[in-house]
Amino acid sequence: GESVGLHLPTLSVQEGDNSIINCAYSNSASDYFIWYKQESGKGPQFIIDIRSNMDKRQGQRVTVLLNKTVKHLSLQIAATQPGDSAVYFCAETQLVNLIFGKGTKLSVKP
Amino acid sequence: KAGVTQTPRYLIKTRGQQVTLSCSPISGHRSVSWYQQTPGQGLQFLFEYFSETQRNKGNFPGRFSGRQFSNSRSEMNVSTLELGDSALYLCASSFPTGGSSYEQYFGPGTRLTVT
Repeated sequence: GESVGLHLPTLSVQEGDNSIINCAYSNSASDYFIWYKQESGKGPQFIIDIRSNMDKRQGQRVTVLLNKTVKHLSLQIAATQPGDSAVYFCAETQLVNLIFGKGTKLSVKP
Repeated sequence: KAGVTQTPRYLIKTRGQQVTLSCSPISGHRSVSWYQQTPGQGLQFLFEYFSETQRNKGNFPGRFSGRQFSNSRSEMNVSTLELGDSALYLCASSFPTGGSSYEQYFGPGTRLTVT
């Protein structure tokens, strides 16, 4: 069936480096995508979203890129900090029910 | 503004029992969604309620049910618990931001352990 998945289950980066987390989706009808961050013991926290009519959206230290041709999303985190260590999920939605990827665990080395 | 609250935070039940989890959404949010999170399956959508009506439903057996009250608070119930129901159950409240876009805010979850 339709699903959202992630290329890498874990990512380890040095503090201060940029991080790139990738995500593939298969439902070409999805028109809204969200990145969430989940820290241990907490619920997912909204980071940034993008609509399907956009290619790029920037937030504070984060950028989401959408490539509809290859059905690919990426989350870029600039100057990664120890506080960025968490599991990151991409999600696609057509209505309120989100379809989540499996998640990528980001570890930041000091 | 207070965030989404879920009670209880932790719960231990035995197989065959039933359980009820509660979620209070952010004030003014009328949509409440429930998700199950496990290491093996990740985050999976259970159902969504809007104005006391179930609007969307995921692919879970009928043992999983829910309801929403007039104040938007929601409960989910799992009957005849199985070991595989051990999971983190997350509630999210939403409000529309235009088109098909919704901003969803998650609670901290209820950790259910079935023994």
